[in-house]
Amino acid sequence: QVRLVESGGGVVQPGRSLRLSCAASGLIFSDYAIHWVRQPPGKGLEWVAVISFDGTNQYYADSVKGRFTISRDNSKNMVYLQMNSLRPEDTAVYYCATDPSGYIHGPNDYWGQGTLVTISS
Amino acid sequence: DIQMTQSPSSLSASLGDRVTISCRASQSISSWLNWYQQKPGRAPKLLIFSASTLQTGVPSRFSGSGSGTEFTLTITSLQPDDFATYYCQQSYNSPLTFGGGTKVDIK
Repeated sequence: QVRLVESGGGVVQPGRSLRLSCAASGLIFSDYAIHWVRQPPGKGLEWVAVISFDGTNQYYADSVKGRFTISRDNSKNMVYLQMNSLRPEDTAVYYCATDPSGYIHGPNDYWGQGTLVTISS
Repeated sequence: DIQMTQSPSSLSASLGDRVTISCRASQSISSWLNWYQQKPGRAPKLLIFSASTLQTGVPSRFSGSGSGTEFTLTITSLQPDDFATYYCQQSYNSPLTFGGGTKVDIK
């Protein structure tokens, strides 16, 4: 079965960096776009970024553009989210999710369990 | 950016009730509209994609309709497992956006 596992979350100070990882199994990874979606404590879902199936296209939410970078390694079935210049408002559970369209138009049909990122001094 | 507005933000309902949740897009998104269910402490679960296509394994009491800017999620007979928060999402263009969510709880 399809499984996504996020890792790399933790507590970091404002202005610092963190890299999240998403490990995928049980699917033809190179067919899928991968999204990152976050959820601040007690709040709703916020889309963060997406990378196309082959890694050639990336799109970002305005709130993270220029600070976050999404990348993938199809040889390892991995997606990464490099987060720089972190702010308290980046505090959230971060989920990775698949997109069978391979680009951005599909739904997010499989999700990981999420990893908590806390930005605090 | 396309804004997604859900209503109501919360509702109370009884078992067996018919429940309707609305989602409005700030511009036409054709049928690029998805619905998710989320329970506390859990990842979202895809219910419906392309406005009206039921995801595999989702009970048939869930249905979706609409196109353009107006969309609806309907639960025909509310079951105990359905008490959760529901989100719409547009996947028409980037940045993808979610509605604010509708919490369904027990009356």
